[in-house]
Amino acid sequence: GESVGLHLPTLSVQEGDNSIINCAYSNSASDYFIWYKQESGKGPQFIIDIRSNMDKRQGQRVTVLLNKTVKHLSLQIAATQPGDSAVYFCAEKSGGYQKVTFGTGTKLQVIP
Amino acid sequence: GAVVSQHPSWVICKSGTSVKIECRSLDFQATTMFWYRQFPKQSLMLMATSNEGSKATYEQGVEKDKFLINHASLTLSTLTVTSAHPEDSSFYICSAMQREGPQETQYFGPGTRLLVL
Repeated sequence: GESVGLHLPTLSVQEGDNSIINCAYSNSASDYFIWYKQESGKGPQFIIDIRSNMDKRQGQRVTVLLNKTVKHLSLQIAATQPGDSAVYFCAEKSGGYQKVTFGTGTKLQVIP
Repeated sequence: GAVVSQHPSWVICKSGTSVKIECRSLDFQATTMFWYRQFPKQSLMLMATSNEGSKATYEQGVEKDKFLINHASLTLSTLTVTSAHPEDSSFYICSAMQREGPQETQYFGPGTRLLVL
């Protein structure tokens, strides 16, 4: 059921600054990772993905870094804008399995 | 990108009634769809994997007789919450898997907010 008092970790960033959102994963068999953005009351929106044979991938204003040694994933957003305010989830998938497992999420607040 | 829709976007119902939520892939065919539930300030939790033409695969702890899933066509999956209770109030999100060669991408619907009184 619904949990009372549970708060997402929040990252507050000044508009124009760079944001770094971190994620730790536990399944060493995961070989595909995705970052999603979820705005309030909406479904998740794909941002960027990375396969385990890579350690960095860049998109438009976003970069994902993967460190398999410590099972850590990060999303970097350059020149953060108010429209970037949302909850960001990392998700992982392991080979042979279709389902995607979501992490806990981080709320990004952009201060104008 | 591909579009997934859900209907209704929100629903309020009385305790004990059943509610059906539809998930449609609008511009692609999806043999596999997924149903998630999300409580406030929490992550998405996978409830079940819906396979076209076969029975859904439920995650541990999800009651298959309470959450009925029907994937009757390549573009439609439905989730029916039977005998809904207030604790079933949540945000239900579906996703559809698009396959293009070896590439598989999940596209998410906008979600359905269910409030059970």
